Parts: sequence; C-alpha cells; structure tokens
Amino acid sequence: QQQVKQSPQSLIVQKGGISIINCAYENTAFDYFPWYQQFPGKGPALLIAIRPDVSEKKEGRFTISFNKSAKQFSLHIMDSQPGDSATYFCAASGSGSARQLTFGSGTQLTVLP
Amino acid sequence: DTEVTQTPKHLVMGMTNKKSLKCEQHMGHRAMYWYKQKAKKPPELMFVYSYEKLSINESVPSRFSPECPNSSLLNLHLHALQPEDSALYLCASSLPPSGSYAGELFFGEGSRLTVL
Repeated sequence: QQQVKQSPQSLIVQKGGISIINCAYENTAFDYFPWYQQFPGKGPALLIAIRPDVSEKKEGRFTISFNKSAKQFSLHIMDSQPGDSATYFCAASGSGSARQLTFGSGTQLTVLP
Repeated sequence: DTEVTQTPKHLVMGMTNKKSLKCEQHMGHRAMYWYKQKAKKPPELMFVYSYEKLSINESVPSRFSPECPNSSLLNLHLHALQPEDSALYLCASSLPPSGSYAGELFFGEGSRLTVL
C-alpha cells in the first residue's frame, strides 16, 4: 500500500513536444506529491509539488495534474527541450507511517533536438 | 550548486576496509537523511536523523553506521562492505518534519561507492 506506481519507464519526445509521466498510489494517507528531477551524476532536485486540495499546479513549462478520486497524478512538460533530458521521479508522503517519501520507479526522459 | 555537500564524490574500497562518507549542510535544516541509489532505480531510504537523533533505521545492515555529530554534519561509516553495496549514496536534508509530511528534501550530489 506504500507503493507509488510510475509509468512509462522511458520516454522519447521531440523538441517542442509534450512529455507526460503518470503516477498512481494506493495509500490514502498520502497528501504531498512532489516530482524530482535527476541529471546523470547529480542528486535528485525538487521540480514541483502539489497538495491534494488543488487539481493542478503550474510552474513555467511544468504542470502537475492531480486526480484525488482516481488516486493518480501526472507531470506534463510543455515545449520539451533537450535540457529536460533527465530521470524524473514522482513521490508521495503523508502522515504517520507514510511520513517519509515513497518514490516511484522513475522515468528516463530523452528529448531529441 | 547544491547546498548539501558530500565528500568524497567517488570512493573505491575493498571488503576489509573502513571508510566514511561525509555530508554537510548550512541551511539550518534539522532533519538529515542517507539514501542509497542503484543505477536506474529510485533512492532507497537508509537512515533519518531528526534534531541529531536517529529516528529511522530502515533495517540497514550493521556494516553501515551513521553518525550525526551536530546539526550540520552527517557521516556514514562503512566497514566490511560487500560488492552489492556498490551504489550512489545520497545525503539529504529538510526543515524539521512538520505537519503531515517530511517536507522538501534537498539532496547532495552523492558519493559513488565501488566495493571490490
């Protein structure tokens, strides 16, 4: 029940296209949903995060869409750029035993020039 | 540049060696973490220190020994490791865990460990 399922495992997008990564969770105690971006040789860095009181959050070209009833959330990268090529991890945390972050399995995004 | 500094960036050790990984942050964060990350996998939580006290140990083998000398420093002492322990070891910090979530984690760039 602590799992966060992420798909796809890898994604190739043309420059200027839209990248979409999906995550699903089971634990209803989760109430914080961040996305982390990791470049090769670097640690993960927080990209954007959402709480379940809103259905969408946008920061620049990055948008999180959140569907509480379906227990799903997704990351949309508009106008994808080669510099966005990285591994993206969704994550979730909440109260009690869910307090620490549970990471999804990761999506390796490649944006072709 | 990351505000969590990890040293060394790379470490090669034999199975009988004793070595340490170090982590430092000066953001005033009072929670610090060690994660282990294998290639193409998400980070796996190993230890959490909250206000310099060990609050979570995710059943990590005793050959890994964490230490938090003060609120800015976190060490991971390594002894008698196995080749399967080769991985990227990430340190992270966050503000004191508050409310219902651990808060934003700030990760260092990691220490790449190879055990021969």
